[in-house]
Amino acid sequence: ELKVEQNPLFLSMQEGKNYTIYCNYSTTSDRLYWYRQDPGKSLESLFVLLSNGAVKQEGRLMASLDTKARLSTLHITAAVHDLSATYFCAVDTIQGAQKLVFGQGTRLTINP
Amino acid sequence: AAGVIQSPRHLIKEKRETATLKCYPIPRHDTVYWYQQGPGQDPQFLISFYEKMQSDKGSIPDRFSAQQFSDYHSELNMSSLELGDSALYFCASSTLGFEQYFGPGTRLTVT
Repeated sequence: ELKVEQNPLFLSMQEGKNYTIYCNYSTTSDRLYWYRQDPGKSLESLFVLLSNGAVKQEGRLMASLDTKARLSTLHITAAVHDLSATYFCAVDTIQGAQKLVFGQGTRLTINP
Repeated sequence: AAGVIQSPRHLIKEKRETATLKCYPIPRHDTVYWYQQGPGQDPQFLISFYEKMQSDKGSIPDRFSAQQFSDYHSELNMSSLELGDSALYFCASSTLGFEQYFGPGTRLTVT
């Protein structure tokens, strides 16, 4: 059974600081996704990572994928308050209709 | 660009009642997924359909059923509602094998 684990689950940080969220998954998967979710809202797609060594950046967020270690990271650079949200990683299963399996989510709070 | 449409956006029901949630996928998407997200939880896969046939099934209670219609929209039917069914219900659509796109969700409150 495919399992996805994130850490930390809660993160409180100061504006201007850097930090990294980690996502481990248990078996080979086709793709890894990072989503942002604001309270009561839908899932906003941030990154789709397809291959080993993939790195994508958008603004202050950068995601990377190491398929050998089954590890993805989401790095936040010089955090600003607007980045406060819950961040989920998720992976596809290989067969079937490719349902997404999500990590527990990391609730990020950025304080002025 | 057209997105996934879900209706209603909010729904309040009492215990033991029935609810129907609707999902209209992005045009030309042939696959629909349903997910349930409880308070403070991650989304959990319920069920999916490809070309109007059930393609995968997750932790969906027997009280729930779903189908995909000829126009590719999907409905999630929930009977004998329990307090624990209160959650956000997301529908996502895709072309099989490609990225899923999520709808805005339906917030179901069972009282």
